[in-house]
Amino acid sequence: NAGVTQTPKFQVLKTGQSMTLQCAQDMNHNSMYWYRQDPGMGLRLIYYSASEGTTDKGEVPNGYNVSRLNKREFSLRLESAAPSQTSVYFCASSEAGGAGNTIYFGEGSWLTVV
Amino acid sequence: QQQVKQSPQSLIVQKGGISIINCAYENTAFDYFPWYQQFPGKGPALLIAIRPDVSEKKEGRFTISFNKSAKQFSLHIMDSQPGDSATYFCAASADTGRRALTFGSGTRLQVQP
Repeated sequence: NAGVTQTPKFQVLKTGQSMTLQCAQDMNHNSMYWYRQDPGMGLRLIYYSASEGTTDKGEVPNGYNVSRLNKREFSLRLESAAPSQTSVYFCASSEAGGAGNTIYFGEGSWLTVV
Repeated sequence: QQQVKQSPQSLIVQKGGISIINCAYENTAFDYFPWYQQFPGKGPALLIAIRPDVSEKKEGRFTISFNKSAKQFSLHIMDSQPGDSATYFCAASADTGRRALTFGSGTRLQVQP
């Protein structure tokens, strides 16, 4: 039972390069999320997808795009990476959005932009 | 704008002691308050959660205390163990608006043997 799987786990990018973080869940969840974690700032929501076919901006969406490819997969794209995007990125999913729904996280993707 | 404020940033407790982490929120629409535990190199995992219709919830050594009027909630870890050493995040969500968790800034707990 894999849960939420993210790739790659580690990546180093040069400023201006682009890349896509991939995420897949095998729990048949409707809602999926991308968070970034920075020291002293907790986890901040970048984008989320309440259900297949919908995406919405979170707290810190600038510089990112997302695609809900199907019910299982939710990718995060950095079009032109900046050093400020150096962070740990977590994909997560839940059966539905809103209160009471447990959110399950992947193990994270460590991204360094130099 | 930080909607969920968490303190302290770090905490050192002796084995067997009580660890207490506090959170305060601003958005009165929040109606679900989970705590997540994160070990190094891993993603956060749900530890315990509470709804505002109760003032306390206990699961084993972990207890959430909730004060709706003060808009505060806290995590108490009784008989703290070295294996509890981790980062703890409080969070909150609502059934309206952005239906995703808003997290506090985290508390790094170290339990010394």
